[in-house]
Amino acid sequence: QIQLVQSGDDVKKPGASVRVSCKASGYIFTKYAITWVRQAPGQGLQWMGWISAANGNTNFAQSLQHRFNMAIDTSADTAYMELRSLRSDDTAVYYCARGGSMALDFWGRGTVVTVSS
Amino acid sequence: SSEMTQPPSVSVSPGQTARITCSGDVLARKYIYWYQQKSGQAPVLVIYEDNKRPPGIPERFSGSMSGTMATLIINGAQVDDEADYYCYLTDNSGNVFGTGTKVTVL
Repeated sequence: QIQLVQSGDDVKKPGASVRVSCKASGYIFTKYAITWVRQAPGQGLQWMGWISAANGNTNFAQSLQHRFNMAIDTSADTAYMELRSLRSDDTAVYYCARGGSMALDFWGRGTVVTVSS
Repeated sequence: SSEMTQPPSVSVSPGQTARITCSGDVLARKYIYWYQQKSGQAPVLVIYEDNKRPPGIPERFSGSMSGTMATLIINGAQVDDEADYYCYLTDNSGNVFGTGTKVTVL
């Protein structure tokens, strides 16, 4: 079955960087993009960006693109996101999902990133 | 990027019909997707391309589109349908989620 397994929860200090991984299984990894979505405590869903697993093309949310990056490792069927210069308002659950410019049909369970001094 | 507005909350009695709207100027030329998110869980796709149901989604969920407003309809809402619902749009200038609607069934 199709699964997206994300890395574990993390705690970071302000100004640090965080990297979250998303390992895909059950489908041909390079046929779909991976999208990243986050949700701050008690808030709605925020689209962050997507990366094509076929060619690495990306589309970023303008509000994040200067400190947000995504990468793909096709040898490991794994997508990564990195968020730099962390602030307290980056505290959120970070999700990966299959899909880019279409339906997000399978989701990871989410990774809680807490930014605290 | 585009903006899409939803009502903060909708309440319905069990067996009644719940309607959740999503409005935005760009909707007129884009597909809409709808996600259900129960407390503490990842979102689940319930409607794609305006009005199509993924496998496993009950028939009581449907979607409609008219001009700049999309609607998610739950016919015969059940207690299990209590959740937050988000519309979602894909666009070359950046994808975007609606503001979200909390549906209460009681």
